[in-house]
Amino acid sequence: SQQGEEDPQALSIQEGENATMNCSYKTSINNLQWYRQNSGRGLVHLILIRSNEREKHSGRLRVTLDTSKKSSSLLITASRAADTASYFCAGGTSYGKLTFGQGTILTVHP
Amino acid sequence: NAGVTQTPKFRVLKTGQSMTLLCAQDMNHEYMYWYRQDPGMGLRLIHYSVGEGTTAKGEVPDGYNVSRLKKQNFLLGLESAAPSQTSVYFCASSYWPVRAYEQYFGPGTRLTVT
Repeated sequence: SQQGEEDPQALSIQEGENATMNCSYKTSINNLQWYRQNSGRGLVHLILIRSNEREKHSGRLRVTLDTSKKSSSLLITASRAADTASYFCAGGTSYGKLTFGQGTILTVHP
Repeated sequence: NAGVTQTPKFRVLKTGQSMTLLCAQDMNHEYMYWYRQDPGMGLRLIHYSVGEGTTAKGEVPDGYNVSRLKKQNFLLGLESAAPSQTSVYFCASSYWPVRAYEQYFGPGTRLTVT
């Protein structure tokens, strides 16, 4: 079973706009991670937030975590065409195991 | 430094045939993982290993076997392929203990079972 739901399933924006993706998870986690997947390629790690953290920034990325609601969000500011990809959240548990959401397909139009 | 590599990149099998997928990493990572990704879905963990000589079941282990005889290699075997095993298979590794949670992924193997 998947860790949870991602919302929206698809997002289409113009270059320069912000993109927000949401993720909900079901079970207890040690951390919440976000990965990017370009079409036909492997996943690339973007950012990790631990269960005792509420917000984290990395460049144009901002991630939040609300453990009481079992939810997380990823904000990409000032989107670029190169940000076009699928984005997955993944809950991390013991031995580094990850349980992935179904992903959000982001399309950034030039 | 090639990172995580997977062999082969593509494969077509007939129902009942067997094959082995090879994952290799040159980063001296302790932990390695095998996932499958079906269309429109996230990845699901098949098996994982926390070190040379160890393996453990993930979320969807049925129909697959694994071996980790060398630290740098993690093999995924299908003894009798079924159409339901048509998928894209990804291998990943992570470095314990410093950055145990960030996983590095290979490019994937696209398997079709007819």
